[in-house]
Parts: sequence; structure tokens; C-alpha cells
Amino acid sequence: GDSVTQMEGPVTLSEEAFLTINCTYTATGYPSLFWYVQYPGEGLQLLLKATKADDKGSNKGFEATYRKETTSFHLEKGSVQVSDSAVYFCALSDQGGNQFYFGTGTSLTVIP
Amino acid sequence: DTGVSQDPRHKITKRGQNVTFRCDPISEHNRLYWYRQTLGQGPEFLTYFQNEAQLEKSRLLSDRFSAERPKGSFSTLEIQRTEQGDSAMYLCASRGLAGETQYFGPGTRLLVL
Repeated sequence: GDSVTQMEGPVTLSEEAFLTINCTYTATGYPSLFWYVQYPGEGLQLLLKATKADDKGSNKGFEATYRKETTSFHLEKGSVQVSDSAVYFCALSDQGGNQFYFGTGTSLTVIP
Repeated sequence: DTGVSQDPRHKITKRGQNVTFRCDPISEHNRLYWYRQTLGQGPEFLTYFQNEAQLEKSRLLSDRFSAERPKGSFSTLEIQRTEQGDSAMYLCASRGLAGETQYFGPGTRLLVL
């Protein structure tokens, strides 16, 4: 079945460091891919998405490219800030868009 | 605020009691989803409604769980005879006709003592 595997955390970075959180997926058909972010005590917020191969999603300095050949959707940011500290979830939706599959989440802490 | 809302935000109950949670989706979103999230894990799909019809249920949704969306707007999730293993965050999400994005509410955190 469809599934998502993402890099285990926790990840601790200094402010202005480069961030990569790896995400790979297994799916039949043509899924859409997402990154959600969860700040402490809050629900999930959509960070970015890509709906077809080679699409790049971007938001708030974060980017991820839908790579069908490597079945990956790695999250990157060139310079992290303390306010980026949160848990990041990679997710895919099946071709019908009715089932979402989430990774286990990667906790990021950015220290000043 | 026109986002997804959930009530209550926190619930503490004793084992064996029944609890009910409510979700109000973004207005005009016809699809509504329930998820369960335990500590250190991603959300796990429980069930999905399109309008008032419950179209899919996960095998995680035991007989003690029931969800309704009677008028195709808000939804309720009831857990009967709660067990300590039911302690988790219960998340609701909604989605419109067009697009794949699900928009999540803040969740209801349940603690069963």
C-alpha cells in the first residue's frame, strides 16, 4: 500500500544553518505530495505541496521538489530561524485524494 | 476565523466513560476527515465523509468508535467505553470539491485515566 518514510529526528540546528529533511514515498498511480508543519500545541498547517512530477512547492523559504525517479520529496531551507522550530510531516494523498498517508514526523529545533 | 474548529480542545475522562468530540469544517467543504495522532507519530486516518455519507473507515476504527455528519456540515466522533489506549490527539480536517489539500483543525487531546 501507499506509505511515506521520512528522516527520523530530532534535528537540532543553529540559526541560519541549511536544513534538509528527507522524505521518500511508495505509491501506486500519481499521488500528490505535501509537507505539513505542527507547532507546539497546534494542529497541522499546510507548508507546501506538489501535485505532479518535477513540480516544486515553496513557501516561507522552504522548498521541496517532487522527484518521481527517486520517489522523493525532500524539504529544504537555506537559512533556518528559531521560529522554524516545529515538527514537520511529509504526506501523500492517493490519486483520488481521499486517503492521506503521513510520515512519523521530524522534530526540528533551531537554537540562536 | 473560517478555519476548521474542534471542541473541546482537551478532555480528561475515566476509563469506561463515553466521550464525544465535535468538528466544524470550513464552510462549503463537503469532505471531512478524522485522524488519530499519538505521541511521536504522524496522524493515522480513521474515517472520511463526503457530505453526510461516511464513505470510508479504517480498521483502526473499532466498534467502540462511531462518527456522524448528520447534515453534511459539522461532525461528531464518539468513543464508547474508553480505554487508556484511546489517549491521543484526535484531528479533524476538511477539504473542498476542488484540490487535494486537507485543512486541519487544532485537535482534541484526550487523556483516559
